Amino acid sequence: SQQGEEDPQALSIQEGENATMNCSYKTSINNLQWYRQNSGRGLVHLILIRSNEREKHSGRLRVTLDTSKKSSSLLITASRAADTASYFCATAVYNFNKFYFGSGTKLNVKP
Amino acid sequence: DGGITQSPKYLFRKEGQNVTLSCEQNLNHDAMYWYRQDPGQGLRLIYYSQIVNDFQKGDIAEGYSVSREKKESFPLTVTSAQKNPTAFYLCASSIAGGYGEKLFFGSGTQLSVL
Repeated sequence: SQQGEEDPQALSIQEGENATMNCSYKTSINNLQWYRQNSGRGLVHLILIRSNEREKHSGRLRVTLDTSKKSSSLLITASRAADTASYFCATAVYNFNKFYFGSGTKLNVKP
Repeated sequence: DGGITQSPKYLFRKEGQNVTLSCEQNLNHDAMYWYRQDPGQGLRLIYYSQIVNDFQKGDIAEGYSVSREKKESFPLTVTSAQKNPTAFYLCASSIAGGYGEKLFFGSGTQLSVL
């Protein structure tokens, strides 16, 4: 399966701490994206990193991509209670109109 | 405001019944997608469409059907052949298919079996 896998499955931290979640995938990709989902809602796009990029920042988010290891990580700095959600990585495969999603990391930020 | 609208938010299906989930977008996007999400799971692709009057099966198309008669609309029918339809269904769109551009999602429809 092309589907990515996030690690850990669940993460609980205190407000103000950093949260790191990882994603591994299996085949060559065009890009990798991270999405956030609040309970019972649709997904919201957070950040996209292309296969020729190694690191990208957006506000409190930092994403890294290691294509040799087929892995990515998402770092949320100075977390807030409002960051509580599930986070998914999605891989876009060359020449296909498909996005493959992992099973997600459920983040709980305690106030 | 531009976006994707899914309706209804909750839907109940009786055994042997077909039900249709609506998805409308006003983003002028060419590509549209249907995903299924089971509790604690990731998203699995049911169908996708790159242009009007064309659509392709995803990884779990059995028991589902779609149409794409208008650019803005991509309804999903869950047929009686789908024996385990209870799930959260998400519709998404992107500017164009095949380029890996970001997806915009609707707020989802929770389908349950009576």
